[in-house]
Amino acid sequence: KQEVTQIPAALSVPEGENLVLNCSFTDSAIYNLQWFRQDPGKGLTSLLLIQSSQREQTSGRLNASLDKSSGRSTLYIAASQPGDSATYLCAVKDGGGATNKLIFGTGTLLAVQP
Amino acid sequence: KAGVTQTPRYLIKTRGQQVTLSCSPISGHRSVSWYQQTPGQGLQFLFEYFSETQRNKGNFPGRFSGRQFSNSRSEMNVSTLELGDSALYLCASSSRDRGETQYFGPGTRLLVL
Repeated sequence: KQEVTQIPAALSVPEGENLVLNCSFTDSAIYNLQWFRQDPGKGLTSLLLIQSSQREQTSGRLNASLDKSSGRSTLYIAASQPGDSATYLCAVKDGGGATNKLIFGTGTLLAVQP
Repeated sequence: KAGVTQTPRYLIKTRGQQVTLSCSPISGHRSVSWYQQTPGQGLQFLFEYFSETQRNKGNFPGRFSGRQFSNSRSEMNVSTLELGDSALYLCASSSRDRGETQYFGPGTRLLVL
């Protein structure tokens, strides 16, 4: 059974710092991995999607990497800003079956201090 | 394109009642998935519909059901509400069978008293 873990559970950094959020999964047979952010009481905003055949994806100040063999993904945020404060979630779609089911991690609550 | 919309945004019900939530996917998207988010359990998959067929179902009791219409809009129903059903219910849509980004709606906040 696939399990997804995110470390740390919470992180507080000063504005301008570069930071890394971690996501690990127990079954390496994934189809893809997606990073989301969630603001308090709101829905999820998709940040990056990495297919199982890819090693990384970049969007602006965000860079996500994927190492399937070790069951890990990282989200790198460069030059953090107070507006980056949110909960960050990673989710995997398993490789088997024709389904869009996502298995989510527990999230990392990020606070960027001005 | 308009994003995923969910109605209503907030609901207050009492134990034993039933509730129906609605989700309109992004135009052209045929896959709609539903998730329940609670502080204790996080985000858990409820079910997925693709072209009006339920394709997958999570580990929830039969009180939770759903359907999808020919225009891809989806509804989920919870009967005989329990206090533990209080949660944020999110739906997500995707354009293709697999491998595509999933886009989430703002959610419906359900409070059961």
